[in-house]
Formats: sequence, structure tokens, C-alpha cells
Amino acid sequence: NAGVTQTPKFRVLKTGQSMTLLCAQDMNHEYMYWYRQDPGMGLRLIHYSVGEGTTAKGEVPDGYNVSRLKKQNFLLGLESAAPSQTSVYFCASTRGDRNQPQHFGDGTRLSIL
Amino acid sequence: KNEVEQSPQNLTAQEGEFITINCSYSVGISALHWLQQHPGGGIVSLFMLSSGKKKHGRLIATINIQEKHSSLHITASHPRDSAVYICAVPYNNNDMRFGAGTRLTVKP
Repeated sequence: NAGVTQTPKFRVLKTGQSMTLLCAQDMNHEYMYWYRQDPGMGLRLIHYSVGEGTTAKGEVPDGYNVSRLKKQNFLLGLESAAPSQTSVYFCASTRGDRNQPQHFGDGTRLSIL
Repeated sequence: KNEVEQSPQNLTAQEGEFITINCSYSVGISALHWLQQHPGGGIVSLFMLSSGKKKHGRLIATINIQEKHSSLHITASHPRDSAVYICAVPYNNNDMRFGAGTRLTVKP
């Protein structure tokens, strides 16, 4: 089983460029999340979705947009990349709410120059 | 203010040693999660517990809800246990707060 798949795995952008990170899950999970992980800090929630067509802001949403047009996919967009968005991005999904085990993708390492 | 604090930040042990990693949190919770992040970066869920103790192989997780504290123990540690261990708690409906992680290195 593939589980949660993130693409791409690595990307280097210039300041001001835009890009979209894709998260796909094949477990029919309702809830999906985007996190960023920075050195010395815990994972922080950017945006999340509790079902197809719904999205909500997390702890650090500024500079990012998301869409959940299909239940299996959760897209994270950077409209105008900034060096502060250099990070490792993780997608996760759960069957239900926060009291369910989380399934993580392998991460996307993004560098903004 | 960090809702989740882990200790120690870094831990080095010899193969075979008993390991304890601690997690304290400041919010009311329904369940606490322990995660393992491999050197390659992948994250897997180890435990989710709301009371008492859970055991999986050589890993044991305990939680004391009244004291807002959880521990992760590894018995007979092995170099393949080397990883970053992260605790996390639900926060404000669908958010979650994560500790900064404990980096464990087990030497042969």
C-alpha cells in the first residue's frame, strides 16, 4: 500500500516564484493536514481539511493556500515564495479526528533562495 | 509558550541500555501521540494513548493524565532505534501541538 505520497521530494525556488505541493492518500481518510518542520521546532500545522471541499487554517497559515477538490488529494500552494518558507513540509492523514493515528508522507524539502 | 515540552533534547546510549524519554504538556487532552522520525525523515506513529500504559515490542508508553506527563521507554536498545522521537497532543479541535523531539543515538 502506498499510504500517503508527497510530490515533489525536493525543490529549490527563487524568491517570488510559485509552486504547488501535492499530497495523495489511498486510505480513504477524511482528514488531511499540511505541516512544516523547522530546525529546533516541533511540527506546526499550516492548513487542514476535514473532508472533500473543506479547508481550514492551522497555526501558521500565512503565505500558503490549500485545496481539497478530491478526497484523496490535498494541495499546498505557495503563491509568492519567501526565504522564510524554506522548510521541510509533511502531509498527514487520519481516518477521523485527532484521536486517530496519523499517517505521514515522507516529506518535501523546499529551499527558497 | 510551548504546550508540549520534551526531555532530553539529545540522548546517546550504548546498545542494550534502557531508554526513557519524557513529555510534559500544559493543555487538557483526550489522547497523546508518540511518533518516530527516521534518519531519512519519514515519520511513523508509534502509540496513541489516553490512560495507563501501552506496549509494542520493546517500546512502552505510559501516561499520567493528572500530572500531564508521558514517558516513552525502550528496553534493550539497539542501533536501529536511533531516531527522533516526538510527542504530540491534540489542541483546539483539529490542531495538534508537537514537541521539538528527542534525538536518540544508540551506539553498538
